[in-house]
Amino acid sequence: GAGVSQSPSNKVTEKGKDVELRCDPISGHTALYWYRQSLGQGLEFLIYFQGNSAPDKSGLPSDRFSAERTGGSVSTLTIQRTQQEDSAVYLCASSLTTNNEQFFGPGTRLTVL
Amino acid sequence: EDQVTQSPEALRLQEGESSSLNCSYTVSGLRGLFWYRQDPGKGPEFLFTLYSAGEEKEKERLKATLTKKESFLHITAPKPEDSATYLCAVQGPGAGSYQLTFGKGTKLSVIP
Repeated sequence: GAGVSQSPSNKVTEKGKDVELRCDPISGHTALYWYRQSLGQGLEFLIYFQGNSAPDKSGLPSDRFSAERTGGSVSTLTIQRTQQEDSAVYLCASSLTTNNEQFFGPGTRLTVL
Repeated sequence: EDQVTQSPEALRLQEGESSSLNCSYTVSGLRGLFWYRQDPGKGPEFLFTLYSAGEEKEKERLKATLTKKESFLHITAPKPEDSATYLCAVQGPGAGSYQLTFGKGTKLSVIP
């Protein structure tokens, strides 16, 4: 079946611009996660959605980062006023429930010039 | 705070040379320990979940084991296609949050 998809696969932007990254989870998965993978670093948790509950935003590095999940499915991660340190691969994952393994998408590579 | 340390950072093996990767963890209450494989330019691919000490899981040439402090990923008679970065992650008890805490990974290279 279809896995987690993300778009765009690559995004190059200029410092100060806003960007939107999209994630389509596996159909039927109630939990959705965003992570960030920087060069030489492990995956870093950003935000988590579960059903209609309020999201866990505890991993967002600054108030320039926000995310929403519409209709319990597609999610969008928005980074406002991008900085060079935001350059990384942004990974989305989904799981059937919170107690199941997480399946990852291919990621969006963000480069801020 | 949950912590995961993987060793070695990089490992080069000859084809057929078996070895093990280590994942040491600190978590207040382990909900699950996960192993993933990541190829360059791709997202992590799920391999195993282990829930309690003593548990073992196998898939082809890979076998994952778990103790109260660490997990091992044993690779038996590896092939070049096993070359990848292997990631270990833990899921703690959380307080309504179920994110994974990842180690930095072990980059495995299998030489023909």
